[in-house]
Amino acid sequence: EVQLVESGGDLVKPGGSLRLSCAASGFTFSNAWMTWVRQAPGKGLEWVGRIRSKTDGGTTDYAAPVNGRFTISRDDSENTLYLQINSLKTEDTAVYYCTTGGSYYADWGQGTLVIVSS
Amino acid sequence: DIVMTQSPDSLAVSLGERATINCKSSQSILHTSNSKNSLAWYQQKPGQPPKLLIYWASTRDPGVPDRFSGSGSGTDFTLTISSLQAEDVAVYYCQQYYGPPPYSFGQGTKLEIK
Repeated sequence: EVQLVESGGDLVKPGGSLRLSCAASGFTFSNAWMTWVRQAPGKGLEWVGRIRSKTDGGTTDYAAPVNGRFTISRDDSENTLYLQINSLKTEDTAVYYCTTGGSYYADWGQGTLVIVSS
Repeated sequence: DIVMTQSPDSLAVSLGERATINCKSSQSILHTSNSKNSLAWYQQKPGQPPKLLIYWASTRDPGVPDRFSGSGSGTDFTLTISSLQAEDVAVYYCQQYYGPPPYSFGQGTKLEIK
């Protein structure tokens, strides 16, 4: 059974940084493309970015609002996906989900909440 | 970037009746090479993550009841629930994954019981 468990969400001040983690199990993580999706409170889903498997280059793609501030990385030895978030803005307040897949998303974690507020 | 627009924003349907949700993309998401549309549908219940229902516009994910079906091509797509059940109350999202990112979701359609 696929399991994705996000952690690292917190209350942070504007301009601050945070690193989110997603611990994966139940599938061959190293072969998987992974994606982060976020959802602001009471709002819809927003695609954040994805990372390819190392065998497919391990490269990343980002949405325009986060490009240059967010960095997705992976540790295949630990079966863990990361999202480094810098220069946080109030509009980054959201639940952040990690998902399997680079196109459509079959498996989702429960999400971790990031609140950006002074 | 491709913009996805769903209609209606909310919908109330009686139990056992048909529910139809529409999704329109700002440009065609049909791959002419394989005749597949890069469109997925998700269901999200309160306090839960989204659940994949359909991908490639009409392929049901394993375990999804057959009362859920997807149709359409090019820029216009539909999610149909043939006979609404109480457990289908949720927000439904379409998502395009055509070509290189960024990918995008529709704004969501809230489905309730009439």
